[in-house]
Amino acid sequence: EDQVTQSPEALRLQEGESSSLNCSYTVSGLRGLFWYRQDPGKGPEFLFTLYSAGEEKEKERLKATLTKKESFLHITAPKPEDSATYLCAVQASGSSNTGKLIFGQGTTLQVKP
Amino acid sequence: DTAVSQTPKYLVTQMGNDKSIKCEQNLGHDTMYWYKQDSKKFLKIMFSYNNKELIINETVPNRFSPKSPDKAHLNLHINSLELGDSAVYFCASSRNGGDGYTFGSGTRLTVV
Repeated sequence: EDQVTQSPEALRLQEGESSSLNCSYTVSGLRGLFWYRQDPGKGPEFLFTLYSAGEEKEKERLKATLTKKESFLHITAPKPEDSATYLCAVQASGSSNTGKLIFGQGTTLQVKP
Repeated sequence: DTAVSQTPKYLVTQMGNDKSIKCEQNLGHDTMYWYKQDSKKFLKIMFSYNNKELIINETVPNRFSPKSPDKAHLNLHINSLELGDSAVYFCASSRNGGDGYTFGSGTRLTVV
């Protein structure tokens, strides 16, 4: 069964303290791995798509990497405005015509000034 | 200018009632989805439509009935609401193949 597990569930950082969020997955053929950011009371906002092991993508203080079993979201020198829940999702290769995503439970990040 | 808009944002209703949630997207996307997010923030797909055709129907009670009058709209009707239906329901859309959904802001349904 296709599955996504994120860790830790919650993470508290001081402003400027870099860290990483983990997303482990098992899927019958990976078409893509997606990272989203969700603020309280809002819908998830798309951040990155990664398609193959070794791929990396960056956006401001965020960098996403992908291996054959997991993805990391690295946050460099975070600011309080980076506080949010970060969601990881996978799309199996057999789901490319449906677009179905399987989500992890998210990591809630709090960055204190 | 909202890309994916859902109404209402909040819905409080009694057990046994019937309610609807509406969703519209102006992105020209071909595929629309309904996802349910539980209290632990776990998002799970319920339905997916591609060009008005139902393509995903996960294990969802048949009290839930989606309807897509055209490819820009996807509504969700729920009959005989139960306490366990309380959750946040998100509409989303994507181009064919699903590269990067755009989500609506969600409808928080509370059944009392």
